[in-house]
Amino acid sequence: DAGITQSPRHKVTETGTPVTLRCHQTENHRYMYWYRQDPGHGLRLIHYSYGVKDTDKGEVSDGYSVSRSKTEDFLLTLESATSSQTSVYFCAISESSGAGNTIYFGEGSWLTVV
Amino acid sequence: GQQLNQSPQSMFIQEGEDVSMNCTSSSIFNTWLWYKQDPGEGPVLLIALYKAGELTSNGRLTAQFGITRKDSFLNISASIPSDVGIYFCAGQKTGANSKLTFGKGITLSVRP
Repeated sequence: DAGITQSPRHKVTETGTPVTLRCHQTENHRYMYWYRQDPGHGLRLIHYSYGVKDTDKGEVSDGYSVSRSKTEDFLLTLESATSSQTSVYFCAISESSGAGNTIYFGEGSWLTVV
Repeated sequence: GQQLNQSPQSMFIQEGEDVSMNCTSSSIFNTWLWYKQDPGEGPVLLIALYKAGELTSNGRLTAQFGITRKDSFLNISASIPSDVGIYFCAGQKTGANSKLTFGKGITLSVRP
């Protein structure tokens, strides 16, 4: 357990509405990530953050924005939800040790866009 | 984007059997990670490997970092019903900001 909490865990929303998913971590990790997981595609990186107010795009960033105003919170916003954004969203953090980096995932947020 | 190769997509074994899974790539990675995912949950880290040739165990699980740095394997010994799930490999190149590359996962079924 790397102290990651995602909210909400499940959400149903209508097409065209904005949606924000929150990732909260308690262990002061610098790097945080948002992934989506879809059948046939596996885990794909949406956006990531390497510090407060420092973010960058991943491979599937279109239609998503992120913000990180505090170390502990990384928010993912779907500006205008579409059915193609129905997915499971995972937040992750990177933990460094003397040996190397390890990525830990949250429990996921299931989003359905109708 | 680049993917790691995991095959087959599904494996069916009998309880008590050992099973081995491979993960291969055309690129070199400096870290290999193995995860298990149960339905409705997030991936859980099983084993992390940081050095070519490294062999690491976690209970009944053993994983190795290939000597070429382009592959890794995970072995589960004496399988039990709770080993059912999806097993993912992930590779990471050098640097804390380096992103993970994932395999698509292998779904393991264990017959009692």
